[in-house]
Amino acid sequence: KAGVTQTPRYLIKTRGQQVTLSCSPISGHRSVSWYQQTPGQGLQFLFEYFSETQRNKGNFPGRFSGRQFSNSRSEMNVSTLELGDSALYLCASSFEGRNGYTFGSGTRLTVV
Amino acid sequence: AQSVSQHNHHVILSEAASLELGCNYSYGGTVNLFWYVQYPGQHLQLLLKYFSGDPLVKGIKGFEAEFIKSKFSFNLRKPSVQWSDTAEYFCAVNVGSNTGKLIFGQGTTLQVKP
Repeated sequence: KAGVTQTPRYLIKTRGQQVTLSCSPISGHRSVSWYQQTPGQGLQFLFEYFSETQRNKGNFPGRFSGRQFSNSRSEMNVSTLELGDSALYLCASSFEGRNGYTFGSGTRLTVV
Repeated sequence: AQSVSQHNHHVILSEAASLELGCNYSYGGTVNLFWYVQYPGQHLQLLLKYFSGDPLVKGIKGFEAEFIKSKFSFNLRKPSVQWSDTAEYFCAVNVGSNTGKLIFGQGTTLQVKP
């Protein structure tokens, strides 16, 4: 079966702009989580959506937001981009947590 | 706050050597534990997971991990590494149930010399 699909793979944005990233989970998975990966901070949890509701939230500013649609696809949005937002953004989906979390290949965001 | 600590940041081994990567977490309640691997240029892949039951967990590619509750540890082991095991390894903790929030360690880069 198809894995977790993230689009686009690469993005270059200018400071101050906003960006939207997309994640299509594995068919049947209702939980979608987002992570930010940087060399300095490692992998940090952004938020999780389950059945269109935000179930958990990490310690990121309000510029980072997300949503989930009825087909479980999820988007995350970052407004007023800062240079420090440059990172690999990963999405993970799960049917139930006990089965583990499957990660996508990520979206590499560069803010210039 | 919950945290995960991986003691080894960079490990260099020769092929056929044994591997043990340390992972400790700070949380006194029920936890679910994971090891993920990230091969160069690839996405994170699940190596193994522990939820309950036998504390010795076997995963893919000959890896295993042992959960020692009294030590808050979940160390990853492999008896004989191969060059293809060169990758970054991440330990992660999931606290409680019904949550997709994983807390990751900083990762360990493993370099296996042929």
